[in-house]
Amino acid sequence: DAGVTQSPTHLIKTRGQHVTLRCSPISGHKSVSWYQQVLGQGPQFIFQYYEKEERGRGNFPDRFSARQFPNYSSELNVNALLLGDSALYLCASSTQVGGYNEQFFGPGTRLTVL
Amino acid sequence: AQSVTQPDIHITVSEGASLELRCNYSYGATPYLFWYVQSPGQGLQLLLKYFSGDTLVQGIKGFEAEFKRSQSSFNLRKPSVHWSDAAEYFCAVGAPTGNQFYFGTGTSLTVIP
Repeated sequence: DAGVTQSPTHLIKTRGQHVTLRCSPISGHKSVSWYQQVLGQGPQFIFQYYEKEERGRGNFPDRFSARQFPNYSSELNVNALLLGDSALYLCASSTQVGGYNEQFFGPGTRLTVL
Repeated sequence: AQSVTQPDIHITVSEGASLELRCNYSYGATPYLFWYVQSPGQGLQLLLKYFSGDTLVQGIKGFEAEFKRSQSSFNLRKPSVHWSDAAEYFCAVGAPTGNQFYFGTGTSLTVIP
């Protein structure tokens, strides 16, 4: 079975630009979560979506937005990129929402902002 | 506020030695507890999880963890470390209510021959 897939693998942008990251969950999983992992830190929760609705939001500015599509895939959008947005962006899928649900992680998208 | 603390940033052990990675959480109720491992260039892989019941849980790759409510801890252990265990280890908690998931800052494990 295919795991969580993310695209692109790596991305280089300049300050002020916009970026879109994509995630396809495991088949049958209806929830997708996004995390930011800065080098040397643990992943920080950004968003969780379930059935196309936002179900959780971390402490990130409005420059960060996301959406989930009818096929449960998801996009994370970041506007007006800052140097501090350079990080590994992880997508995780689970069958449902709730803190007890095991999350399955993709390999991540490495974003570098110059 | 909810938080997860991993006091050890980096640990070095000899191959074959025992291992214990510490994790403490701060939460009003007993959260759902997880340990994940991240190898270079890889995503996070679940090692084990605790929801309720027996406080000693077994995971994959020979890992186990013990939940101690009185100490708000969920330490990860392995009796004999293999060189392939070198990786970054993250403790995480899932909120009993709401949909937040919190990670610690991680412990980097080096295994020497």
